[in-house]
Amino acid sequence: GQNIDQPTEMTATEGAIVQINCTYQTSGFNGLFWYQQHAGEAPTFLSYNVLDGLEEKGRFSSFLSRSKGYSYLLLKELQMKDSASYLCAVRDSPGGYNKLIFGAGTRLAVHP
Amino acid sequence: ETGVTQTPRHLVMGMTNKKSLKCEQHLGHNAMYWYKQSAKKPLELMFVYNFKEQTENNSVPSRFSPECPNSSHLFLHLHTLQPEDSALYLCASSQEIEGPLHFGNGTRLTVT
Repeated sequence: GQNIDQPTEMTATEGAIVQINCTYQTSGFNGLFWYQQHAGEAPTFLSYNVLDGLEEKGRFSSFLSRSKGYSYLLLKELQMKDSASYLCAVRDSPGGYNKLIFGAGTRLAVHP
Repeated sequence: ETGVTQTPRHLVMGMTNKKSLKCEQHLGHNAMYWYKQSAKKPLELMFVYNFKEQTENNSVPSRFSPECPNSSHLFLHLHTLQPEDSALYLCASSQEIEGPLHFGNGTRLTVT
């Protein structure tokens, strides 16, 4: 079956670093996305990994290991505005259309 | 302004009502999607349209009926819904069928 696992909730301190893990089991793999969703707002695209390794974009980095079915999102120099849900999503249709399978999301609370 | 606008933001309807959700994207994208987001559950893909043609109906009950008159507009017609259909309904678009999704802020639907 299709399964995406990520922790339900995490807390961290302003200025610190936090790593949000995601493991997946899907019938196929054609890329992994991370989205950020503030309460009551639209999910917004953060990062995309299709090959193994680390993708860095400012304070946010995302890592992928296809052999392990594993990804993480790394947030550095945490700010209060980073308090949000972080959604991991896998595209499972090689060469096909954008059928994304989402995890339930990790709610991150950043404290002063 | 997310580039994807959904109306209404909130909707309360009885089980015998008929209503429609509207989505408009101002990004020139070719693909549009409907997702359902229930509390503490993963985003569920409902429908996909590519160049106005429906390419996916993810086993959605017939009480949900999508309509895509052109690449910029997407509707979700609702009739004889059930209380368990109460959720946040998100519209999204992407430039190509494999590009990152751009979400609207959603319609919070409550079925009484």
